[in-house]
Amino acid sequence: GNSVTQMEGPVTLSEEAFLTINCTYTATGYPSLFWYVQYPGEGLQLLLKATKADDKGSNKGFEATYRKETTSFHLEKGSVQVSDSAVYFCALMEPSGTYKYIFGTGTRLKVLA
Amino acid sequence: SQTIHQWPATLVQPVGSPLSLECTVEGTSNPNLYWYRQAAGRGLQLLFYSVGIGQISSEVPQNLSASRPQDRQFILSSKKLLLSDSGFYLCAWSVGRGFDGYTFGSGTRLTVV
Repeated sequence: GNSVTQMEGPVTLSEEAFLTINCTYTATGYPSLFWYVQYPGEGLQLLLKATKADDKGSNKGFEATYRKETTSFHLEKGSVQVSDSAVYFCALMEPSGTYKYIFGTGTRLKVLA
Repeated sequence: SQTIHQWPATLVQPVGSPLSLECTVEGTSNPNLYWYRQAAGRGLQLLFYSVGIGQISSEVPQNLSASRPQDRQFILSSKKLLLSDSGFYLCAWSVGRGFDGYTFGSGTRLTVV
């Protein structure tokens, strides 16, 4: 079945460090891919998305490129801030029309000043 | 603009007591609605989704039920709570299948004691 695998956390970085959170997926067909962010005590917010191979989603300095050849959608940011501390979820939308997403288990990021 | 309201924000309930969590969406018509649970240290699990009034699909067998009495109202219920029902419950909505992403509520932290 379809699945999403994220790197285990927590990830601890110093402010202004480069961030990569790995995400790989297994799916039949061509799923849409998403990154969501969850700040403490809150619901999830859509961070960025990509709907086809080689698309790059970007928002708030974060980027992710849909790589079909490696079935990956890694999240990157060139210089993280303390305010980026949150849990990041990779997700795919099943391409078969079942009205649901498959979420990864989330990666907690902690940025130290 | 569209907004989603979820309440209560936190809830502590004894084992065996009933549960009712409510979610309402404003500013849109005929949304797809979803209930997710996020257990401590784990990812998101889809519990129920609805594509219209009175239409509920259950993803996993469990002690919970859902109802959609109005177009923009989604209710999660239980007749008798179990300890294992503790978790963070998130309501979400989407336009159609959610190609543009889901919008999540701020969540309800349920602790069953």
